[in-house]
Amino acid sequence: GNSVTQMEGPVTLSEEAFLTINCTYTATGYPSLFWYVQYPGEGLQLLLKATKADDKGSNKGFEATYRKETTSFHLEKGSVQVSDSAVYFCALPDQTGANNLFFGTGTRLTVIP
Amino acid sequence: EPEVTQTPSHQVTQMGQEVILRCVPISNHLYFYWYRQILGQKVEFLVSFYNNEISEKSEIFDDQFSVERPDGSNFTLKIRSTKLEDSAMYFCASSTQGGYGYTFGSGTRLTVV
Repeated sequence: GNSVTQMEGPVTLSEEAFLTINCTYTATGYPSLFWYVQYPGEGLQLLLKATKADDKGSNKGFEATYRKETTSFHLEKGSVQVSDSAVYFCALPDQTGANNLFFGTGTRLTVIP
Repeated sequence: EPEVTQTPSHQVTQMGQEVILRCVPISNHLYFYWYRQILGQKVEFLVSFYNNEISEKSEIFDDQFSVERPDGSNFTLKIRSTKLEDSAMYFCASSTQGGYGYTFGSGTRLTVV
């Protein structure tokens, strides 16, 4: 099946720093790719997605570009805030056409003032 | 914004007891899912449900687990005889179509003692 490998954390940044969380995927074909975020004490929320190669997903200042050449979907934000402190998960369908998702191990981000 | 609602938020049960975790998916969604997250670990797929039957399940979803959509609005996960290792956060999710991302509930934390 498909899988993702996600940058291990934890990551600690100062407010307004630049964020990159790496995610690479292994897949048959070109499945949709997702980033989910889990704020402390809450469930998973879809942060952004890209449904085909070269697409850029964006939301709340976060961006990720679906790059088939490098099989990557790295999450970036130019200036992080304390409120961005959360665990970030890269995900994709377990198999082409499947409805269940395979999640990466998650990267914990802590932003300090 | 429509939500997936899960109850209870936290359940403590004794080993060997049966538990039922409840979820109310978004009303016009067609696909329903259960995932679990053992504390500090990755999010793992358990089962997906479509058209009143299980469409996919993982190795984790053994004979101790069952799902049901008893009344057209609720979606339940039953664990027949809980084990200590079933302690986890259980997330329900729903989607109109799995390949385009889900809406997750806020989870039920199950503690087996």
